[in-house]
Amino acid sequence: SQTIHQWPATLVQPVGSPLSLECTVEGTSNPNLYWYRQAAGRGLQLLFYSVGIGQISSEVPQNLSASRPQDRQFILSSKKLLLSDSGFYLCAWGRQGIEQFFGPGTRLTVL
Amino acid sequence: GDSVTQMEGPVTLSEEAFLTINCTYTATGYPSLFWYVQYPGEGLQLLLKATKADDKGSNKGFEATYRKETTSFHLEKGSVQVSDSAVYFCALSTGANSKLTFGKGITLSVRP
Repeated sequence: SQTIHQWPATLVQPVGSPLSLECTVEGTSNPNLYWYRQAAGRGLQLLFYSVGIGQISSEVPQNLSASRPQDRQFILSSKKLLLSDSGFYLCAWGRQGIEQFFGPGTRLTVL
Repeated sequence: GDSVTQMEGPVTLSEEAFLTINCTYTATGYPSLFWYVQYPGEGLQLLLKATKADDKGSNKGFEATYRKETTSFHLEKGSVQVSDSAVYFCALSTGANSKLTFGKGITLSVRP
């Protein structure tokens, strides 16, 4: 069966510091991968998606970036965090025609 | 572009009450429709889905019917439990990359 992991589970970072969140998927190959952000009191916003290694599509311009160095690894990064980057970050995998499966999430607090 | 509109929340119900959460959508083409549930501090779990008009998705006593004529996918449950307390998201998916468009979510609290 497929599983999806995210780490860290929680993170507190100062403004201006770098960020690296990791997501890995097991039990499937060549998945589509997605990063979402859930800000307090708001819905989910798709940030990035990837259909293959090295292929990244950005949905919202911001100071975040994503990379996919391996088939089942998806990384969300920032060089300098802003207060507005605080939120709950969710990684998901899926394929065309099926639903997406979500990881447990990372709660990021920027102080 | 695609969009999903959910009724405003939060919703508070007593145990065994009837639940309806409204969801309407706007989409090009023929989307698949989903309800996801998020329990406190956790990621999202798929609750149910429907992939074409008139399909009914069901799971754990919850049901939703894909109504193309009213562009709706309302979630219902005949008798809610305290354990149903969570945030519920309606979503749609279109296109080759199966990107999901979510509604804002609604918080359901069920009192004993």
